[in-house]
Amino acid sequence: DAKTTQPPSMDCAEGRAANLPCNHSTISGNEYVYWYRQIHSQGPQYIIHGLKNNETNEMASLIITEDRKSSTLILPHATLRDTAVYYCIVRPMFSGGYNKLIFGAGTRLAVHP
Amino acid sequence: DAMVIQNPRYQVTQFGKPVTLSCSQTLNHNVMYWYQQKSSQAPKLLFHYYDKDFNNEADTPDNFQSRRPNTSFCFLDIRSPGLGDAAMYLCATSRDWDRVDEQYFGPGTRLTVT
Repeated sequence: DAKTTQPPSMDCAEGRAANLPCNHSTISGNEYVYWYRQIHSQGPQYIIHGLKNNETNEMASLIITEDRKSSTLILPHATLRDTAVYYCIVRPMFSGGYNKLIFGAGTRLAVHP
Repeated sequence: DAMVIQNPRYQVTQFGKPVTLSCSQTLNHNVMYWYQQKSSQAPKLLFHYYDKDFNNEADTPDNFQSRRPNTSFCFLDIRSPGLGDAAMYLCATSRDWDRVDEQYFGPGTRLTVT
């Protein structure tokens, strides 16, 4: 599975957009980009995923570069409740039999007033 | 309307004393997973069940076992807990195993070993 690189920490002001980058330069054609987040003392929560097109849902937007070697998760109007560790995960479309997530170190996002 | 439930949220056990953590789901998902998350680290998959089929990760210690008596419930048994097994244990589910499906996580059980 492709590896991902994320900055260890980021800050964002409440109400502003939070843009979280992820590098996945070794991604292959059948691998999806997933984003999860983990709020302190809770289980991880699915946010969004994409293959090559940009995606948007009620939580966030995912922008994937044309060469697919990097992506950005955008929280358009960050709130204090968005303070969490954000994980970017790459996994193949058909993972040989099971839906396996390999978590990296993630980015610790702190949203401040 | 909790979907993945873990009990208890906090568990204290003694060194070497067997302990069982439980997970239940109301989603009727085929796959259930157990992850271990040590302090300040990312979650790490221990094993998963696809229906009744058990799948162990290669580096999961033999000290960790699991049972899934029915679709809704899954248990994590630690036969002889050591101090290094203190961690948050997360249960997760997904609808299937060969689809691009998100996983739904429970709140976790924090295990302390004294």
